Amino acid sequence: RKEVEQDPGPFNVPEGATVAFNCTYSNSASQSFFWYRQDCRKEPKLLMSVYSSGNEDGRFTAQLNRASQYISLLIRDSKLSDSATYLCVVNLYSGAGSYQLTFGKGTKLSVIP
Amino acid sequence: DAGITQSPRYKITETGRQVTLMCHQTWSHSYMFWYRQDLGHGLRLIYYSAAADITDKGEVPDGYVVSRSKTENFPLTLESATRSQTSVYFCASSETFGRGNTEAFFGQGTRLTVV
Repeated sequence: RKEVEQDPGPFNVPEGATVAFNCTYSNSASQSFFWYRQDCRKEPKLLMSVYSSGNEDGRFTAQLNRASQYISLLIRDSKLSDSATYLCVVNLYSGAGSYQLTFGKGTKLSVIP
Repeated sequence: DAGITQSPRYKITETGRQVTLMCHQTWSHSYMFWYRQDLGHGLRLIYYSAAADITDKGEVPDGYVVSRSKTENFPLTLESATRSQTSVYFCASSETFGRGNTEAFFGQGTRLTVV
């Protein structure tokens, strides 16, 4: 079983729509959680960290449910510029003071005019 | 310029050749990482380093060698390139790593084709 699983999509939504992405992780020892964004043929960039209390950054809201090992990202009022692949990322303690960032395969979003 | 840079950006090599991908960061970040990204697999960790002279294997280390003699450099060497190593390689760095929500910064990637 992949440690971080996401629906690959694609999600094709009209401008202005609300869209939600989900992610599950298998290792309950995971320490911290993120959403990264990757544009076509570019490097991944941090979109936002994810906290248990939930956090919001403008049109983006992230939620973490540790009990269910589930992470979500909600995008409101979608813009054309939101078209990208969204990567769910988990920071896992791998022992002896080492941590590893583990990426999901990503969910592709296309916002349509 | 400040940041994290990879070179070359594009590379074509022949099967069996040794090739080294370079990664340089100017922030003095402690942690550095090498990932490969393939269709259907997403980003997979090859090797990482917690500090100079400290490296460790990731998920897919076979066929790769790394070194970190200086904090700012983390080269990745394919000892004898195979077609299955055709991929996009990303280097990343992070100031600290652990329980905190620490951002990893990625280079622009190296597109490697093994023919």
